[in-house]
Amino acid sequence: QQQVKQSPQSLIVQKGGISIINCAYENTAFDYFPWYQQFPGKGPALLIAIRPDVSEKKEGRFTISFNKSAKQFSLHIMDSQPGDSATYFCAAPREGSQGNLIFGKGTKLSVKP
Amino acid sequence: DGGITQSPKYLFRKEGQNVTLSCEQNLNHDAMYWYRQDPGQGLRLIYYSQIVNDFQKGDIAEGYSVSREKKESFPLTVTSAQKNPTAFYLCASRAGGRYSNQPQHFGDGTRLSIL
Repeated sequence: QQQVKQSPQSLIVQKGGISIINCAYENTAFDYFPWYQQFPGKGPALLIAIRPDVSEKKEGRFTISFNKSAKQFSLHIMDSQPGDSATYFCAAPREGSQGNLIFGKGTKLSVKP
Repeated sequence: DGGITQSPKYLFRKEGQNVTLSCEQNLNHDAMYWYRQDPGQGLRLIYYSQIVNDFQKGDIAEGYSVSREKKESFPLTVTSAQKNPTAFYLCASRAGGRYSNQPQHFGDGTRLSIL
């Protein structure tokens, strides 16, 4: 069964530091690769997404890096803030099923003041 | 305000009982999804629907049923055949139908527990 492997499972970062979350995918439809942010008791919210024809996308403090040959993509959060403390999910397009996604198991980020 | 509304926020099920979770969207999205979220398991796809009156099983459909009679509504029934229903259930929708690469947007979930 198609999988997306996400690491680390949990991450503790000091305020102002860089948070890095990595994902690896298997064969997939080349569509787009989103990251979601989820706070406790809430649904995931789309944070940033990248299309595989570019290697990097930046929106404010959030950057996605994409390595097509290695089948890997990562999320970098610069100048991490306590308000960034949440669970982050990466997702990849599900092969053979347009518009459907396979999600990683999530990374719980804690940013210490 | 456009969005996805899930109700109720909390739901309790008795043994042998079927319960229905509501999902309504006013975004005019064609595709809708149901996911189950368990701690440390990520989001697992239960059912999805690309258009009205059509739906497909996801990875963990056993013990669940859905209907898609209206574009804006995609209710999920957790049947008594689902032996481990305790989880956080998330509904999502996406614009553009079957051939779209638009992102999925989520509601705020329903937490289901067994009494």
